[in-house]
Amino acid sequence: DAGVIQSPRHEVTEMGQEVTLRCKPISGHDYLFWYRQTMMRGLELLIYFNNNVPIDDSGMPEDRFSAKMPNASFSTLKIQPSEPRDSAVYFCASRARGGEQYFGPGTRLTVT
Amino acid sequence: EDQVTQSPEALRLQEGESSSLNCSYTVSGLRGLFWYRQDPGKGPEFLFTLYSAGEEKEKERLKATLTKKESFLHITAPKPEDSATYLCAGLHGSSNTGKLIFGQGTTLQVKP
Repeated sequence: DAGVIQSPRHEVTEMGQEVTLRCKPISGHDYLFWYRQTMMRGLELLIYFNNNVPIDDSGMPEDRFSAKMPNASFSTLKIQPSEPRDSAVYFCASRARGGEQYFGPGTRLTVT
Repeated sequence: EDQVTQSPEALRLQEGESSSLNCSYTVSGLRGLFWYRQDPGKGPEFLFTLYSAGEEKEKERLKATLTKKESFLHITAPKPEDSATYLCAGLHGSSNTGKLIFGQGTTLQVKP
């Protein structure tokens, strides 16, 4: 298996623009997680899905953030409009039966 | 409140100098304690899962142990390539919850 795939790997955008991050989980994993990582706050859980259904979105910082999982092999995290404080590395992870999560390589987002 | 605390925040070792990283947790009904390694610019890489007090797991120079209140990651005779940030995380005990509670990490630097 190729592991969790994320795109793009780097994104630079201007404040106010819409940003869409994409994730393909490991086949057969039934949980998908979106995290944000910064030096100040560490790794923060934004939202997670079980069998394509959002279970807990309490970590989503504002209404500007939204996430979807239309099928078992694809998820998106959208920020609209983006702000400089959204600059961070965004990780997607999927979970195996044993509970361990496998992380993608991340998307480094810079909002200027 | 569920919490995972890691210490020290940073650790510098000479090559061959063994040491331990600490992970203290207060997670309701802990269902698993996970260790990850993160290299700069990459996503966290899964290392170990521990399920019950007294359990130990080993991989090369790393050994993870678990008690009822904390976990240790012992590093024996480390090499420079062991330099990374090590994260621990607890899996909440509620049924059907896939959420991991992450600590802030310990950044290890091993000098030749």
